[in-house]
Amino acid sequence: NAGVTQTPKFRILKIGQSMTLQCTQDMNHNYMYWYRQDPGMGLKLIYYSVGAGITDKGEVPNGYNVSRSTTEDFPLRLELAAPSQTSVYFCASSPRLLATDTQYFGPGTRLTVL
Amino acid sequence: QQQVKQSPQSLIVQKGGISIINCAYENTAFDYFPWYQQFPGKGPALLIAIRPDVSEKKEGRFTISFNKSAKQFSLHIMDSQPGDSATYFCAAVNSGGYNKLIFGAGTRLAVHP
Repeated sequence: NAGVTQTPKFRILKIGQSMTLQCTQDMNHNYMYWYRQDPGMGLKLIYYSVGAGITDKGEVPNGYNVSRSTTEDFPLRLELAAPSQTSVYFCASSPRLLATDTQYFGPGTRLTVL
Repeated sequence: QQQVKQSPQSLIVQKGGISIINCAYENTAFDYFPWYQQFPGKGPALLIAIRPDVSEKKEGRFTISFNKSAKQFSLHIMDSQPGDSATYFCAAVNSGGYNKLIFGAGTRLAVHP
């Protein structure tokens, strides 16, 4: 049982390039989330999904896009990379959408935009 | 606007000492308060959580104290160990607004042997 996996672990992008951060979970969780973690700022929710085909914006969605075609996968797309998107990105999943449900986090992707 | 304020930013404690991390919130609609622990290079993992209808919750060496009237809650780590060295995040969520966690800024704890 791998839990939540993310690829790549590290990536350096040039300004204006695009990329997709991959996230897969094998726990059959319906609910998935993308966060970014900036130093001294905690984690902020970018997008979340309540099931295949259904996504919604979080606190900081600008500059990102998501899709959810399967229960297992929830990729995050950066279209025109900007230095402000330099961050560590975490994907998470939970079995239900209840506040008391634990969110299980992946190991993160460290992205640098130069 | 930081909805959950966490302090201190960093903390150094000697082995066997007590580590205390404090959080305060503004939004009275928050009704569930988890703490997450993050080791370097890893994702956060749930440590302990509390609802505001209790004033304290204890799990092993970890205790959450909750003061509803002051809108404050804190994590106490008793008999701190070097293996507790990590970053700790408090969080808050409004159970009526789905499972969208609002995190504090984090506290980097170092426990020296």
